[in-house]
Amino acid sequence: RKEVEQDPGPFNVPEGATVAFNCTYSNSASQSFFWYRQDCRKEPKLLMSVYSSGNEDGRFTAQLNRASQYISLLIRDSKLSDSATYLCVVITGANNLFFGTGTRLTVIP
Amino acid sequence: GAVVSQHPSRVICKSGTSVKIECRSLDFQATTMFWYRQFPKQSLMLMATSNEGSKATYEQGVEKDKFLINHASLTLSTLTVTSAHPEDSSFYICSARGTGVTFSTNEKLFFGSGTQLSVL
Repeated sequence: RKEVEQDPGPFNVPEGATVAFNCTYSNSASQSFFWYRQDCRKEPKLLMSVYSSGNEDGRFTAQLNRASQYISLLIRDSKLSDSATYLCVVITGANNLFFGTGTRLTVIP
Repeated sequence: GAVVSQHPSRVICKSGTSVKIECRSLDFQATTMFWYRQFPKQSLMLMATSNEGSKATYEQGVEKDKFLINHASLTLSTLTVTSAHPEDSSFYICSARGTGVTFSTNEKLFFGSGTQLSVL
């Protein structure tokens, strides 16, 4: 079983739509969780950390469900500029980082 | 914030040649460097983890004699693709974690800008 599993998509949504991605992880001892955004042929950029209590940054909301071992990212009022690949990252221990496969999002005018 | 510089950003080479990619941490000590490879429309795949002053730990399926990693100092790690072949054409990215700097965010990883390798 993979350490981190993520639906690769693609997700094609119209502008203004709300879209959500999930990422499941297998190791219950994982302690840090992040969402990264990656544009084509660019390095991933940190979008937001995921806290146990959930956190929101503008149109983006991240949540952690430890009982079911998944994290989620919700994007409201999608913009064309949100089109990218969204990667979840799970950290277990000091140097065990695991990436999801990435979910491709395309926002359509 | 912390910055990781990676170069070259793009390299085109002939089959059989070796290519070196450098990754430098500019304002912090990178105790651990990670090297990834990404094929088109696929996710980042971790190739190896290197700690300063010790041998790199390679992921299963990654040939250590082909992908030589050197992490001789706290600010520099290099990846050398030896005897490159067309199937090695890919996007290579490094990332670093370190000490000696206060992270202004909760960011754990700092990425280089990537190297697009094309082997003819």
